[in-house]
Amino acid sequence: SYELTQPPSVSVSPGQTAKITCFGDALPKQYAYWYQHKPGQAPVVVIYKDNERPSGIPERFSGSSSGTIVTLIISGVQPEDEADYYCQSADNSGTGVFGGGTKLTVL
Amino acid sequence: EVQLVQSGAEVKKSGESLKISCKGSGYRFTNYWIGWVRQMPGKGLEWMGIIYPSDSDTRYGPSFQGQVTLSVDKSIGTAYLQWSSLKASDTAMYYCARRDYNDWYFDLWGRGTLVSVSS
Repeated sequence: SYELTQPPSVSVSPGQTAKITCFGDALPKQYAYWYQHKPGQAPVVVIYKDNERPSGIPERFSGSSSGTIVTLIISGVQPEDEADYYCQSADNSGTGVFGGGTKLTVL
Repeated sequence: EVQLVQSGAEVKKSGESLKISCKGSGYRFTNYWIGWVRQMPGKGLEWMGIIYPSDSDTRYGPSFQGQVTLSVDKSIGTAYLQWSSLKASDTAMYYCARRDYNDWYFDLWGRGTLVSVSS
């Protein structure tokens, strides 16, 4: 298995763009996924396969990938986007790993 | 309705055994991997393991190999997470989640089971 590294926290004002990074040596070969997790709720996937958005997820959520770093981008951040965000990936055998999580604060 | 329903909160003592459950409904249970995710108090999500109900093929995260056991009863559409001897450090919220049919992310989650272990 391997590790995914995220910044512990990111802060933005409403309407600004938030960027949350995730670093992993295997990311050039494996897809990354992003989850939003709010207190008292189950996590929700907001991006899959590096940059695909599931149905029902607002268009302001997007993803990008460059080598060993993937990035979750939230354009025009809303107060309701305040949450913990986790990247996740898996190796070829299907064994998965989460990043340590990033707390997004909307100022 | 497609959902995963988890068993209720548990309060146990160190050394005791425990088995918590996750019942899938509204979809073909045997066709989707079921995973388990731990969240310790104030900490992040941890990928524990995943099991394929059709043949019980299982993968464990490195930190959980030998510490827990995943199983399924496909006749009743239920997955299980089991401990033989709990420790206080097992105190956490445990989520079950369904792996997407074509990809390695979790597309459907249970509401979580809170396990509290006292020493």
